[in-house]
Amino acid sequence: NAGVMQNPRHLVRRRGQEARLRCSPMKGHSHVYWYRQLPEEGLKFMVYLQKENIIDESGMPKERFSAEFPKEGPSILRIQQVVRGDSAAYFCASYIGGAGINEQFFGPGTRLTVL
Amino acid sequence: SQQGEEDPQALSIQEGENATMNCSYKTSINNLQWYRQNSGRGLVHLILIRSNEREKHSGRLRVTLDTSKKSSSLLITASRAADTASYFCATDARGAQKLVFGQGTRLTINP
Repeated sequence: NAGVMQNPRHLVRRRGQEARLRCSPMKGHSHVYWYRQLPEEGLKFMVYLQKENIIDESGMPKERFSAEFPKEGPSILRIQQVVRGDSAAYFCASYIGGAGINEQFFGPGTRLTVL
Repeated sequence: SQQGEEDPQALSIQEGENATMNCSYKTSINNLQWYRQNSGRGLVHLILIRSNEREKHSGRLRVTLDTSKKSSSLLITASRAADTASYFCATDARGAQKLVFGQGTRLTINP
């Protein structure tokens, strides 16, 4: 049973370009979270999705950022017109769902560098 | 408000000594989790303690939880150089469906 997979692991973009980050949750998990980690800081919640639905996007910047988790395929975090301040590590976590402990399993992260 | 604040921010000890890190939080929680992150890497889940538990052990790790003080501690006994990493607490707040992380404690074990 493969863990949470993220790709690419490293992504370099120039200011103004688009960044697309992918996350494949663990098999059987239908809940995905995205977190951002700035250098020397903890992780900050961005968005929580279930299949085809955004449940909580309270941590997402209002502009340029969007996320989706389609019925088929990975979850995508999309950043349009990237700026240097978007440089960070972006982590995805998956959760099986249902009642009980919200135990999230984290992927290895995508490190975005904006030049 | 910041949830899950760790202290100290940085801790440097000699190999073989014990390391203690603390975490404070502000709201009622379902559980509290500790993670380790090696430099430039992803998060490794260490241990989860539920709100109705007071202490939990896993190998050289001991976690305590005091819900009256809204605080937790992580103790690593007989530290090793490989324990050098950042350690984060994360709370699963009641009514929320996300983890809230603290800023982390950077632990350095000197050989």
